[in-house]
Amino acid sequence: DAGVIQSPRHEVTEMGQEVTLRCKPISGHNSLFWYRQTMMRGLELLIYFNNNVPIDDSGMPEDRFSAKMPNASFSTLKIQPSEPRDSAVYFCASSPSRRAAEAFFGQGTRLTVV
Amino acid sequence: KQEVTQIPAALSVPEGENLVLNCSFTDSAIYNLQWFRQDPGKGLTSLLLIQSSQREQTSGRLNASLDKSSGRSTLYIAASQPGDSATYLCAVRGSETSGSRLTFGEGTQLTVNP
Repeated sequence: DAGVIQSPRHEVTEMGQEVTLRCKPISGHNSLFWYRQTMMRGLELLIYFNNNVPIDDSGMPEDRFSAKMPNASFSTLKIQPSEPRDSAVYFCASSPSRRAAEAFFGQGTRLTVV
Repeated sequence: KQEVTQIPAALSVPEGENLVLNCSFTDSAIYNLQWFRQDPGKGLTSLLLIQSSQREQTSGRLNASLDKSSGRSTLYIAASQPGDSATYLCAVRGSETSGSRLTFGEGTQLTVNP
């Protein structure tokens, strides 16, 4: 398996533009997590899906952020409109939904909003 | 709310030393604890996964222990090498009552000097 695949790897956009980050989890994994990493705040959980259903979105910073998981093999995280403070590395992770399963991370998307 | 703390924040050692990284968590209702390694500008690589019922796991020069009742885990690295230089993160997987989220510590930045 190729692991968790994220795209794009790097994104530079202007303030106010819409940004869409994409994630393909490992085949057969039913849980999917979106994290944001910054120097100031470390790794923050944004949202967590189980069987394509959002279970916990309490970490989504504000209404400008939205996430979807239309099927078991694809998820998106959208920021509209983007702001410079959204600049960070966004990670997607997946795991089997059984209890105590190991989580695997993608390589991340480095987002820069100028 | 689960809180995960890692001590020390940074560590610099000469090559060949054995070292211990510490992780503590506030809510003992966990499914597992996972140690990750992150190289600069890269994603997270899973090193060891300890289930809540286990006391330790070993992989090569790495040994991780878990004392769930006291909310502590340690990562022991034997005979450290310059290639071990990275940031080490611990994460706990909460039980279903706490949303099964994966909560991370801030990490320990390790430098092994040749």
